Amino acid sequence: AQTVTQSQPEMSVQEAETVTLSCTYDTSENNYYLFWYKQPPSRQMILVIRQEAYKQQNATENRFSVNFQKAAKSFSLKISDSQLGDTAMYFCAFQADSGTYKYIFGTGTRLKVLA
Amino acid sequence: GAVVSQHPSRVICKSGTSVKIECRSLDFQATTMFWYRQFPKQSLMLMATSNEGSKATYEQGVEKDKFLINHASLTLSTLTVTSAHPEDSSFYICSATGTGKLWGGNEQFFGPGTRLTVL
Repeated sequence: AQTVTQSQPEMSVQEAETVTLSCTYDTSENNYYLFWYKQPPSRQMILVIRQEAYKQQNATENRFSVNFQKAAKSFSLKISDSQLGDTAMYFCAFQADSGTYKYIFGTGTRLKVLA
Repeated sequence: GAVVSQHPSRVICKSGTSVKIECRSLDFQATTMFWYRQFPKQSLMLMATSNEGSKATYEQGVEKDKFLINHASLTLSTLTVTSAHPEDSSFYICSATGTGKLWGGNEQFFGPGTRLTVL
């Protein structure tokens, strides 16, 4: 069975600084996808970034980038130039490329950006 | 594109009554829909997976007679909480994934959620 671990329950960062959220996972699957979702106070789940396991290149979306280490089963999210609007819960999710395509979520990291 | 709606956004009901929550994919055909439950400050807990035209698959520990799921069409799934009690109060979120690998993996698109309060 797959598991996803987010070891940082809460983090804070000063506006305009950089912060990294950690995520590790365990799986015996060879093909899979990894996602970071943001859940602001509205509770709408918003996709931040996704990574295909077969791609070695780390995904990047504007200020958001990942450090994907497949051998180490690590998938960290880096937020550059943090903005007040980045304050939210962040969830890491794993999806195997087979079967039901359900997500395995981590427990989340609550990020607060300080003015 | 890939918008998922949920209705109602919040509902308050009396103990013992049943409540139906709708989840619709507005601009794509959803072959699979997922229902989650989220307690305050916690992660999303998958309740069940439903495929159009077939019975839902429930996660271990989820009472299928309590949480009835119907995925009658490629754009609509419903979750009915039967004989609701205060402990069923929670935030319920649906998600949907479409046909084919249009988005690099079967990415799930999430509805805005429904807050259920049972008095």
